[in-house]
Amino acid sequence: GQQLNQSPQSMFIQEGEDVSMNCTSSSIFNTWLWYKQDPGEGPVLLIALYKAGELTSNGRLTAQFGITRKDSFLNISASIPSDVGIYFCAGRRGATNKLIFGTGTLLAVQP
Amino acid sequence: GAGVSQSPRYKVAKRGQDVALRCDPISGHVSLFWYQQALGQGPEFLTYFQNEAQLDKSGLPSDRFFAERPEGSVSTLKIQRTQQEDSAVYLCASAFVLAASTDTQYFGPGTRLTVL
Repeated sequence: GQQLNQSPQSMFIQEGEDVSMNCTSSSIFNTWLWYKQDPGEGPVLLIALYKAGELTSNGRLTAQFGITRKDSFLNISASIPSDVGIYFCAGRRGATNKLIFGTGTLLAVQP
Repeated sequence: GAGVSQSPRYKVAKRGQDVALRCDPISGHVSLFWYQQALGQGPEFLTYFQNEAQLDKSGLPSDRFFAERPEGSVSTLKIQRTQQEDSAVYLCASAFVLAASTDTQYFGPGTRLTVL
């Protein structure tokens, strides 16, 4: 099935560092979402974006809806150990309710 | 509990066996989704319900997969004659509002299915 291109695939960083990850698609989306998934759990919504160019923050997390509507970025500032997990982007297009997910970015934070 | 619950959390099936996975959405949520997540991959859409109506089943991989939500609340995903490639985590999500542009999907913990 279709999955969005997400990069990097994995990141190993020191506590306190900033993190950036992105998601791209060949198709236009009208909603971009960022989720975090911990082992054995379902994805949890972090940030939702609904307009091209929109920049939204949630604590140390900031995400942007690309102006072309084909990409999105997530930044995490001053990472902490509990940021460890897999981050997924997800997009929704047209009138459909279904989400198309990215391939995921594994984040490891060393104290 | 206020979240989406799924049962069983783990299921081991022999190839050819039928399985049924249950999802209890958040009370009052109109929309319900099933996703399949293979190891190391993102979730992939299977099917979508609005109340008891199955509005989109375009993601079901074969006619061995069947989902129902007869009373517009609890949903069951059934897989007949399981194959090894069916091994995955099956995630259920629910959402409150009908509008596609703003609803937030809340995910359950998933059922990990292993087919031997």
